[in-house]
Amino acid sequence: NAGVTQTPKFRVLKTGQSMTLLCAQDMNHEYMYWYRQDPGMGLRLIHYSVGEGTTAKGEVPDGYNVSRLKKQNFLLGLESAAPSQTSVYFCASSTGFGYEQYFGPGTRLTVT
Amino acid sequence: EDKVVQSPLSLVVHEGDTVTLNCSYEVTNFRSLLWYKQEKKAPTFLFMLTSSGIEKKSGRLSSILDKKELFSILNITATQTGDSAVYLCAVCSNYQLIWGAGTKLIIKP
Repeated sequence: NAGVTQTPKFRVLKTGQSMTLLCAQDMNHEYMYWYRQDPGMGLRLIHYSVGEGTTAKGEVPDGYNVSRLKKQNFLLGLESAAPSQTSVYFCASSTGFGYEQYFGPGTRLTVT
Repeated sequence: EDKVVQSPLSLVVHEGDTVTLNCSYEVTNFRSLLWYKQEKKAPTFLFMLTSSGIEKKSGRLSSILDKKELFSILNITATQTGDSAVYLCAVCSNYQLIWGAGTKLIIKP
């Protein structure tokens, strides 16, 4: 049981480049989330999904897109990276809102 | 606007001390409050609280919720250096988790 996995673990992008972060969970959870964490700001929700084929905006969705084509995978895309998107990105999953969220190990992204 | 405020922002104590971390909230539709511990990686779950006055306990850690006064506390007794971490509080409201900025706890040997 791997839990929640994220790829890649580290990435450096130049401004304007695009990339996709992949999150996979093997716990059969319906709910999945993408967060970013910046120093002193806690976790901020980017997008979330309540089931296969559904996505919704969180607190800071601008500049990001997501897709949930399969229940176990949740992809986060950056179409045109900006230095303000330098952050640590965490994926999480849960059985429902308000319940324990299981987190992936994080992706450290630097945009120069 | 929903918000979660944790205090103190940072705390330095000596091994063996007892610490109390605070989490206050203002949200429109409270469903639950969760505590997490974050070391140099992903947050790990500690407690979920939904009812006032019922203490959750796990070893040296305990937590309680006061829904009337809108806060929760996390207590750690007989602290150890391994307790050094950032402790995060999150409140579920309107189908989203609102996160506090965290309390950075440093335990000195």
